[in-house]
Amino acid sequence: DIQMTQSPSSLSASVGDRVTITCRASQSISSYLNWYQQKPGKAPKLLIYAASSLQSGVPSRFSGSGSGTDFTLTISSLQPEDFATYFCQQSFSTPQGFTFGPGTKVDIK
Amino acid sequence: QVQLVQSGAEVKKPGASVKVSCKASGYTFTSYGINWVRQAPGQGLEWMGWISAYNANTNYAQKLQGRVTMTTDTSTSTAYMELRSLRSDDTAVYYCAREDDSSGWFNWFDPWGQGTLVTVSS
Repeated sequence: DIQMTQSPSSLSASVGDRVTITCRASQSISSYLNWYQQKPGKAPKLLIYAASSLQSGVPSRFSGSGSGTDFTLTISSLQPEDFATYFCQQSFSTPQGFTFGPGTKVDIK
Repeated sequence: QVQLVQSGAEVKKPGASVKVSCKASGYTFTSYGINWVRQAPGQGLEWMGWISAYNANTNYAQKLQGRVTMTTDTSTSTAYMELRSLRSDDTAVYYCAREDDSSGWFNWFDPWGQGTLVTVSS
């Protein structure tokens, strides 16, 4: 089975900071990687699909990159509404299901 | 707009069953699959399984095989997830999510339902 890891597990940042979150797959998943944002008490929201495609309506300060086993989510200038938990998800392996990384919590410094 | 609306919170005793519904609107129900994902308190996201709304094919997470059943009712555009033999560690928020494969190559979950809290307690 494909295992997903994320780093860091949490980070503290200030408004305006550039933030980078890393996701790693245990085997190559090409570009089959999605990113979601989750705020407390809310359902996850799709940000990025296919590693680097920005979902409609998502601000352009969010970007994704990578392929194979290593991926990054970048927030170019952190805004107050971006404090949340971010999850990556592989969509490569159908039989085992599209599993998620453990999440990265972004909070206010 | 595309929307998934789930049933309300449930409290169940250990050993009981729960059935959560997920009503879709704003799109052709049979053109997309539905995934179920759960999140225990303070924990990450656990994929539970998938059902095709077109032909009712299913794929369940191995750890839930034998305890979970996913179904659909195309007449009401509603998906259901039933979990049996509930244990305390099944306490979680349960989400449904539409699986979008409109790119032809890649798949993602969008949108998600609002979540249903299932509490298992004696």
